[in-house]
Amino acid sequence: DIQMTQSPSSLSASVGDRVTITCRASQSISSYLNWYQQKPGKAPKLLIYAASSLQSGVPSRFSGSGSGTDFTLTISSLQPEDFATYYCQQSYSTPIFTFGPGTKVDIK
Amino acid sequence: QVQLVESGGGVVQPGGSLRLSCAASGFTFSSYGMHWVRQAPGKGLEWVAFIRYDGSNKYYADSVKGRFTISRDNSKNTLYLQMNSLRAEDTAVYYCAKDQWFGENDAFDIWGQGTMVTVSS
Repeated sequence: DIQMTQSPSSLSASVGDRVTITCRASQSISSYLNWYQQKPGKAPKLLIYAASSLQSGVPSRFSGSGSGTDFTLTISSLQPEDFATYYCQQSYSTPIFTFGPGTKVDIK
Repeated sequence: QVQLVESGGGVVQPGGSLRLSCAASGFTFSSYGMHWVRQAPGKGLEWVAFIRYDGSNKYYADSVKGRFTISRDNSKNTLYLQMNSLRAEDTAVYYCAKDQWFGENDAFDIWGQGTMVTVSS
């Protein structure tokens, strides 16, 4: 089974900061990596698919990169509405999917 | 608008059963695979099950295999999750999600609001 890890597990940042979250797969997953944002009490929202493709309607301050085992989600200038938990998800072994443990971004 | 609405959650005793439903609208339900994903209180997301667009194939996480059954009724635009032999560790918010194929990669592009299942005596 493919295991996903994320770092850090949480971070504190200020509005306007550049934020980077890392996701690592236990084996190569090519570019089969998605990112989701979840706010408290709400359903997750798809941000990035195929490692670097921005989902329709998602602000361009979000970007994704990486391939193989190491991936990054970057928020170029953190906005108040971006405080949330972010999850990576591998789709290499579709239709069996695995999520990372999540990274909580809160206000410094 | 495109929407998924779950129902059927509640409190059930260990060993009991529950059936969740997910009503779809705003898209051609019969053309898409569908998932169930759950989230235990204060925990992360766990993929539970997937069913192909026509119901021909079903896949399960090891943690629910043999106890949960995913199904769909395309005439009613509804997805189901039959949960049997429930355990305390099945306590979670259960989300249904639509599978979207992006050419070489699929992801979950539409999610319901979730329904809470509590397994407790």
